[in-house]
Amino acid sequence: DQQVKQNSPSLSVQEGRISILNCDYTNSMFDYFLWYKKYPAEGPTFLISISSIKDKNEDGRFTVFLNKSAKHLSLHIVPSQPGDSAVYFCAAGPYNNNDMRFGAGTRLTVKP
Amino acid sequence: GAGVSQTPSNKVTEKGKYVELRCDPISGHTALYWYRQSLGQGPEFLIYFQGTGAADDSGLPNDRFFAVRPEGSVSTLKIQRTERGDSAVYLCASSLTLHSTDTQYFGPGTRLTVL
Repeated sequence: DQQVKQNSPSLSVQEGRISILNCDYTNSMFDYFLWYKKYPAEGPTFLISISSIKDKNEDGRFTVFLNKSAKHLSLHIVPSQPGDSAVYFCAAGPYNNNDMRFGAGTRLTVKP
Repeated sequence: GAGVSQTPSNKVTEKGKYVELRCDPISGHTALYWYRQSLGQGPEFLIYFQGTGAADDSGLPNDRFFAVRPEGSVSTLKIQRTERGDSAVYLCASSLTLHSTDTQYFGPGTRLTVL
């Protein structure tokens, strides 16, 4: 039972434009959400997080938006850079422990 | 400082054999996690430890899989009677505590191929 879904396996954008990656979850007990970035032959690295008491969290070029009623979150990258090309995983879980469930990932390609 | 390391980086074995995968977490991290990532999928939770004890092993697919962390640091994932379906990248992560706000730091993974 896939509790976290990323329905777009890939996304291609032009350098300088906005990248929007989407994620849906089904478990209403999830109240902490994260995005990880993964380069080939490396483990995922933490990018940004948001708790359910917020609907937006920003860190430089990266912003995560959370819509609790729709059980949907998105990651916005603006402006996109070629170095952002990677696989992005959405993860979700309870706030009080690190028992996270991951989506299947979206491969982002930023073209120069 | 040193990150999470995993050995070996690649393991090829034959169906039916026993394998051990090792994880060295970041020093001082009390929580340690094992995930399995199949092709085209995200990391799938297997087990996590708080100190020496398995806090949750509900993700282990069957009793052929077992993990230990005897001294609360290094962990070993053990797979008996390997099957072709066990082929995947096995990821280990560690965090300072089990709280969700403590970032999980991942190792590079061990790619297991069962022939």
